Amino acid sequence: DIQMTQSPSTLSASVGDRVTITCRASQSISSWLAWYQQKPGKAPKILIYKASSLESGVPPRFSGSGSGTEFTLSISSLQPDDFATYYCQHYHTYPWTFGQGTTVEVK
Amino acid sequence: EVQLVESGGDLIRPGGSLRLSCAASGVIFSEYAMSWVRQVPGKGLEWVSSISGSADNTYYADSVKGRFIISRDNSKSTLNLQMNSLRVEDTATYYCATTWRGFEMWGQGTKVTVSS
Repeated sequence: DIQMTQSPSTLSASVGDRVTITCRASQSISSWLAWYQQKPGKAPKILIYKASSLESGVPPRFSGSGSGTEFTLSISSLQPDDFATYYCQHYHTYPWTFGQGTTVEVK
Repeated sequence: EVQLVESGGDLIRPGGSLRLSCAASGVIFSEYAMSWVRQVPGKGLEWVSSISGSADNTYYADSVKGRFIISRDNSKSTLNLQMNSLRVEDTATYYCATTWRGFEMWGQGTKVTVSS
């Protein structure tokens, strides 16, 4: 099975900050990676698919990059609505797996 | 507007069975592969099972293989998860989701608690 490792687990930031979250796959997954945002008590929401494609309706301050085993999710200027937990997930081969999550909290 | 509504979650004793359902609207259901993803309270997300649009192909996480059965009724736009031999560690919120480039659309989730 392909393991996904996110870092950091928790990130403290302020409104306006640029934020970067890293996701590493235990083997190459090409660009078959998605990023999700989840707020407490809510279902996850997809932000990015195929490593760098922005889902319709997602603000352009979110961006994704990477291929193979190293990926990043960046938020160019953190907004109050962006404090949440973020997950990466590969869809290269079954079983699909998620990273353990990165919580972006108020500094 | 696409809507996915899960139902069937309950408190159940270890060893028991439960059937979850997910009703879809606003989407041509048969065109989408579908999945179940679960989340233990306060923990991360775990993919559970997926099924192709035509139901020809099914996939399971090792943690549920042999105990859970995913199925769908395209005529009713409904996805199901038959959960047998439930364990305490199956306690979670179960989400259904459309499945293509990852999990695009999600339901609100249904809670399953396995406890004696």
